[in-house]
Amino acid sequence: ILNVEQSPQSLHVQEGDSTNFTCSFPSSNFYALHWYRWETAKSPKALFVMTLNGDEKKKGRISATLNTKEGYSYLYIKGSQPEDSATYLCAPRIGSSNTGKLIFGQGTTLQVKP
Amino acid sequence: DGGITQSPKYLFRKEGQNVTLSCEQNLNHDAMYWYRQDPGQGLRLIYYSQIVNDFQKGDIAEGYSVSREKKESFPLTVTSAQKNPTAFYLCASTPGLENYGYTFGSGTRLTVV
Repeated sequence: ILNVEQSPQSLHVQEGDSTNFTCSFPSSNFYALHWYRWETAKSPKALFVMTLNGDEKKKGRISATLNTKEGYSYLYIKGSQPEDSATYLCAPRIGSSNTGKLIFGQGTTLQVKP
Repeated sequence: DGGITQSPKYLFRKEGQNVTLSCEQNLNHDAMYWYRQDPGQGLRLIYYSQIVNDFQKGDIAEGYSVSREKKESFPLTVTSAQKNPTAFYLCASTPGLENYGYTFGSGTRLTVV
């Protein structure tokens, strides 16, 4: 069974704080790494899809980095806002592009207090 | 707006009954997926389909069945053989091309009573 670990499991920060989470995954047969944001009562929304070692992607105040050799990815949120409150899921795609499947971590739940 | 529609939002089933969850997309996506979420666990893959009239078992397919007769539709049947069906079910789709994020529906919460 392939294991994807996300830490911390939950996080409470004040508005304006910057924060980061970790996603650890098996580095063998790696194909891509997805990050999703899941707000309460809504559907998960794709944030980033990353494939190359050293990749860094950014969307507004949110950015992510990828290390495929050691099997981890960081998600950073700069100056957290209450609307950033959500569960953040990472999901590596292990295997080839045709047969590889996403394996989801259990998520990091972020609560931003105004 | 294009998207994925799952229905119903809440579903109650008596033990021993089969029940079918609907998933429809108008995104013209080739690939569709069914995931299950249980408390404290990541999403687990039940079944997926990369093309019409073809589908593959995921990691937890036992007690479930699917069909893919139309590109837009990928219904999931939870059979009486599924020992612990109470869960939150999510449907997703992608264009089938590399490096595209998944588009998810809003989910169906199934409760066995």
